[in-house]
Amino acid sequence: GENVEQHPSTLSVQEGDSAVIKCTYSDSASNYFPWYKQELGKRPQLIIDIRSNVGEKKDQRIAVTLNKTAKHFSLHITETQPEDSAVYFCAAWDGNEKLTFGTGTRLTIIP
Amino acid sequence: DGGITQSPKYLFRKEGQNVTLSCEQNLNHDAMYWYRQDPGQGLRLIYYSQIVNDFQKGDIAEGYSVSREKKESFPLTVTSAQKNPTAFYLCASRTGDLFLSPLHFGNGTRLTVT
Repeated sequence: GENVEQHPSTLSVQEGDSAVIKCTYSDSASNYFPWYKQELGKRPQLIIDIRSNVGEKKDQRIAVTLNKTAKHFSLHITETQPEDSAVYFCAAWDGNEKLTFGTGTRLTIIP
Repeated sequence: DGGITQSPKYLFRKEGQNVTLSCEQNLNHDAMYWYRQDPGQGLRLIYYSQIVNDFQKGDIAEGYSVSREKKESFPLTVTSAQKNPTAFYLCASRTGDLFLSPLHFGNGTRLTVT
């Protein structure tokens, strides 16, 4: 089955700086890669996703890149703000109705 | 999310008792999922259902059971066979009409078994 590894597990950045979270996946058949943000005690919410036929996608301060050959994808947050503090999860969809999640990155923005 | 309702928010049970977690959605989504979340382990798939009266085991199905008698409802029973049931349980759904559509999550149920 699919295996998704996510790094780092914790990340602290100064407000205004950029944050990068990286994930690798094992199943070359995986074709959809969403990113979720989860605030303390709340449900995960989709913030951006990318399909395997695209190399990069941006939405305001958030971008995701995908390297299919290397089987890794990354989340980039620019001009970080205090409200960006949360746990972020990457995931990979293997095409068999199963979405496998990474173990999460706790991002802390330092004012 | 008003579209997916999980109840109750907190649930306490004694060891050895079965307990059922409720998940209802009014999004008209075909597929529904149950995930378990433990600190530092991300979200792990317990069961999923793509259509009514059909469901498949996920990665950690042992000690759990589900039913899908209605499109809107996908209850999860945590049985006494589950060794470590204390966790945060998340229900999710997605439309089956769109290829690669994202999951929408409920607010979760935090189960504590003592």
